[in-house]
Amino acid sequence: RKEVEQDPGPFNVPEGATVAFNCTYSNSASQSFFWYRQDCRKEPKLLMSVYSSGNEDGRFTAQLNRASQYISLLIRDSKLSDSATYLCVVLGPSGTYKYIFGTGTRLKVLA
Amino acid sequence: DAGVTQSPTHLIKTRGQHVTLRCSPISGHKSVSWYQQVLGQGPQFIFQYYEKEERGRGNFPDRFSARQFPNYSSELNVNALLLGDSALYLCASSPRTVLDEQFFGPGTRLTVL
Repeated sequence: RKEVEQDPGPFNVPEGATVAFNCTYSNSASQSFFWYRQDCRKEPKLLMSVYSSGNEDGRFTAQLNRASQYISLLIRDSKLSDSATYLCVVLGPSGTYKYIFGTGTRLKVLA
Repeated sequence: DAGVTQSPTHLIKTRGQHVTLRCSPISGHKSVSWYQQVLGQGPQFIFQYYEKEERGRGNFPDRFSARQFPNYSSELNVNALLLGDSALYLCASSPRTVLDEQFFGPGTRLTVL
């Protein structure tokens, strides 16, 4: 079983749609959780951190469920500019200093 | 302010050769991590250095090594290159340890023929 698993997609959605991505992780002792965005042939950039209480940044909402070991990202009112690959990232247990990336989920927002 | 810089941008090598990739972190950042990203996959953690000491190592063979200099810049060395080493090599810096947000450089695209 992979340490971090994501549906690779692609998710093709029309502008204005709401889309949700899920990610599961295998190590219950994982410390921190993030969503990164990566545009084609570019470096990953932090989209948002994920907290147990859930957090929202404009059209983006992230949730963490430690009991079920999954993380979600919800994008509302999708824009063409949201087209990218979304990477789920898990920081390993304390002392490991290791970011574990999922394979990424490709999103394409269609006009 | 300059972001993370990496050199070279692209590199072509042949099997068996060795390669050195370089990374300069954001000014004031003391931690550097290295990742390998194969097409269609997420980045895979190789090393993390903080204050010139190795703090973490991923599941890569001993052909991969790295170091961090007093000015916090870093080098990644790969010996005895294999075709499978062809990938985008990303460097990320953070202010302290990996617990901080990581800022990625544009990467070095290595092709092994």
